[in-house]
Amino acid sequence: GQNIDQPTEMTATEGAIVQINCTYQTSGFNGLFWYQQHAGEAPTFLSYNVLDGLEEKGRFSSFLSRSKGYSYLLLKELQMKDSASYLCAVRSHETGTASKLTFGTGTRLQVTL
Amino acid sequence: KAGVTQTPRYLIKTRGQQVTLSCSPISGHRSVSWYQQTPGQGLQFLFEYFSETQRNKGNFPGRFSGRQFSNSRSEMNVSTLELGDSALYLCASSLGLGAGQVDYGYTFGSGTRLTVV
Repeated sequence: GQNIDQPTEMTATEGAIVQINCTYQTSGFNGLFWYQQHAGEAPTFLSYNVLDGLEEKGRFSSFLSRSKGYSYLLLKELQMKDSASYLCAVRSHETGTASKLTFGTGTRLQVTL
Repeated sequence: KAGVTQTPRYLIKTRGQQVTLSCSPISGHRSVSWYQQTPGQGLQFLFEYFSETQRNKGNFPGRFSGRQFSNSRSEMNVSTLELGDSALYLCASSLGLGAGQVDYGYTFGSGTRLTVV
């Protein structure tokens, strides 16, 4: 089976840096995604990691360690509009089956003044 | 290009009824995955269709079914609705490439919010 854990809620101050962690256990690992979801809206793609290391995209960075089953999403220079849920999702591919994307329950981030 | 279109946006049904939801993927995308999202459980995988065939299935009862048409549009059906089926149903469109092939393209529709009363 698969297990993905991330904190339920986090609070941070506007202008600060916040790190959202995600740990996972899966077989047939084939990539890790981070999505942002504002209340009442569809999840939108933020980042994708399949190899170990850091991927940077503007104010957002994502890190992956496959040996540790660990990823984090780093948000810099926080803005009020960053208040949203952040979903960690693992794609797995087991022999004989198609790839499947499994989501964590999401981390609700509240940015305050 | 047009995004993923889900219809209807909102739906209210009574226990015991059945419902059909529709998803039109991005043009050129052949894979459609369906997810159920509830506050306590997050996004739960229902099933994935690729080229009119179901190629992956989650752990939901047989009351949940789906299909995909030759134009890649997909429908999801829930029969004998229960109160616990109230949720946001999301579909995700992608190219549906195999393992080892680069495919970033999981694009979600805005969802159908189903309320069962």
